Amino acid sequence: LAKTTQPISMDSYEGQEVNITCSHNNIATNDYITWYQQFPSQGPRFIIQGYKTKVTNEVASLFIPADRKSSTLSLPRVSLSDTAVYYCLVGDPLRGSTLGRLYFGRGTQLTVWP
Amino acid sequence: GAVVSQHPSRVICKSGTSVKIECRSLDFQATTMFWYRQFPKQSLMLMATSNEGSKATYEQGVEKDKFLINHASLTLSTLTVTSAHPEDSSFYICSARAGLASTDTQYFGPGTRLTVL
Repeated sequence: LAKTTQPISMDSYEGQEVNITCSHNNIATNDYITWYQQFPSQGPRFIIQGYKTKVTNEVASLFIPADRKSSTLSLPRVSLSDTAVYYCLVGDPLRGSTLGRLYFGRGTQLTVWP
Repeated sequence: GAVVSQHPSRVICKSGTSVKIECRSLDFQATTMFWYRQFPKQSLMLMATSNEGSKATYEQGVEKDKFLINHASLTLSTLTVTSAHPEDSSFYICSARAGLASTDTQYFGPGTRLTVL
């Protein structure tokens, strides 16, 4: 099972770009990388998912190097409302499985200051 | 789109009683739903995988007789905490996946706060 490692916490100021890096050295060939955001007492919210290179959507970008042993979530111009816990996950590595179970690590607590 | 709801949002019960939590996919059919538990200041812990029309698959260490899961339709899964005790107090979150591929996105419900007195 691919294990992920993220910084426990990060601080930023409004308007800055934030990059959160996740290590997943044992990622399997079929695994995708997914990032979720969670506010207190709420369910996680899907942010972005990718397999390799770069993925961008309306809220974030995801950079994945060729070896796929790490990934970086980039949040452009953060605001106070981006204060949350961000989780990096890789998919269930069981080959051929359709379960797609997600195992959450500790996540990164991002605090945005005014 | 891709909205998942949970009911109730919070529940308080006495020790020894059973509590049922519902998870619904409102605008899509979910062949697979997942149940998680989250204690304060901790990460989500996967409890079980619920597949429509079949028995749930429980993670190691999760008592299947205590946490009963039923996935009777493509839009509804229920988690029943039987004979609840104070240590079962937690934030229970479900997620639903629309497709069959393991890479399909999971959409999470808002969670249910269970407090057992």
